[in-house]
Amino acid sequence: QQQVKQSPQSLIVQKGGISIINCAYENTAFDYFPWYQQFPGKGPALLIAIRPDVSEKKEGRFTISFNKSAKQFSLHIMDSQPGDSATYFCAATNSGGYQKVTFGTGTKLQVIP
Amino acid sequence: DTEVTQTPKHLVMGMTNKKSLKCEQHMGHRAMYWYKQKAKKPPELMFVYSYEKLSINESVPSRFSPECPNSSLLNLHLHALQPEDSALYLCASSWTGGAYEQYFGPGTRLTVT
Repeated sequence: QQQVKQSPQSLIVQKGGISIINCAYENTAFDYFPWYQQFPGKGPALLIAIRPDVSEKKEGRFTISFNKSAKQFSLHIMDSQPGDSATYFCAATNSGGYQKVTFGTGTKLQVIP
Repeated sequence: DTEVTQTPKHLVMGMTNKKSLKCEQHMGHRAMYWYKQKAKKPPELMFVYSYEKLSINESVPSRFSPECPNSSLLNLHLHALQPEDSALYLCASSWTGGAYEQYFGPGTRLTVT
């Protein structure tokens, strides 16, 4: 029940295209859903996050879509750039605990020129 | 300042050695975390400190010993490690009392020979 399932495992997108990564969760106690971006040899960095009271959040080229009833959320990267090539982790947590974050399995994105 | 620093960046140690990893943040965060990350896997929570007290130990072997000397510092003492403990060790920090972003450091790449 603590799992966050993420797909696809890897993704290749042309420059300027849209990258889409999907996640699904089971634990209805989760109330905060961050996405992390990790470059090789670096620690993860928060990209964008959403709470379940909104269905969409957009920051620049990055958009989270959230479907509470389906317990699914997704990251869309518009106008994908080679600099976006990284591993993306979706995650979920709840505000009742000690910030125990459950990570998805990760998606390695490669944006080719 | 939104930076979490970690030293050393790389560490090679034998199975009989004793070494320590260090982490520092000056954001006023009162929650600090140690994660272990293997290649192509998400970060795996090891320990959580809240207000300098150990709150979560994810059943980590005793050869890993955390320490939180003050609200800005977090150490991980290593002793008698095994080759399978080779990984990227990440430190993170966050506010407490709710679901907040975790800020990750760049990690220490540990190799056990």
